[in-house]
Amino acid sequence: SAVISQKPSRDICQRGTSLTIQCQVDSQVTMMFWYRQQPGQSLTLIATANQGSEATYESGFVIDKFPISRPNLTFSTLTVSNMSPEDSSIYLCSVADRGYYGYTFGSGTRLTVV
Amino acid sequence: SQQGEEDPQALSIQEGENATMNCSYKTSINNLQWYRQNSGRGLVHLILIRSNEREKHSGRLRVTLDTSKKSSSLLITASRAADTASYFCATDDSGNTPLVFGKGTRLSVIA
Repeated sequence: SAVISQKPSRDICQRGTSLTIQCQVDSQVTMMFWYRQQPGQSLTLIATANQGSEATYESGFVIDKFPISRPNLTFSTLTVSNMSPEDSSIYLCSVADRGYYGYTFGSGTRLTVV
Repeated sequence: SQQGEEDPQALSIQEGENATMNCSYKTSINNLQWYRQNSGRGLVHLILIRSNEREKHSGRLRVTLDTSKKSSSLLITASRAADTASYFCATDDSGNTPLVFGKGTRLSVIA
């Protein structure tokens, strides 16, 4: 299965600032998915990132707040912009494994906004 | 929005007992998967069951799927303290569509 390196693993940020989260995959993948997990909650899809095109955002998430880059088939970044305490969550990236035996997730970024 | 609803939301058992978690979903699916999450970290894929399958085993895990009732169950036999985690079911349409997650069950296995 694919291996994803996600950075940073955690960060504490001041409100009004931005944080960029990186995910590096050890193989080429068409789609990468970004999720948010608020405290004590399940995962909610933020957007789907397809290489060479604009990311597709889910209802309630906008590009200005969560810009995504996908410069090649192994890398993607998610930026959380103009942060507020409500953005405190775990952010995870994910890809579907070849052969389709499941999805692989990054280890997550635990973000705290103060 | 969440596709699945897990129950129970929280489950506490003694080591050695079996743990059963249930998941219901709302729309037609291609596959249903179960994931484990330790301490709010990344998710680990446990098992995938396709819509034309009714039961699947992997080690101490047994998953059933009832598409007529739009429900699935995950059974962990002979539980261990290391099984303490949150468990999520997730559904998808195909290999390149995002997963839709249920609310999850927090399992505590007491040694």
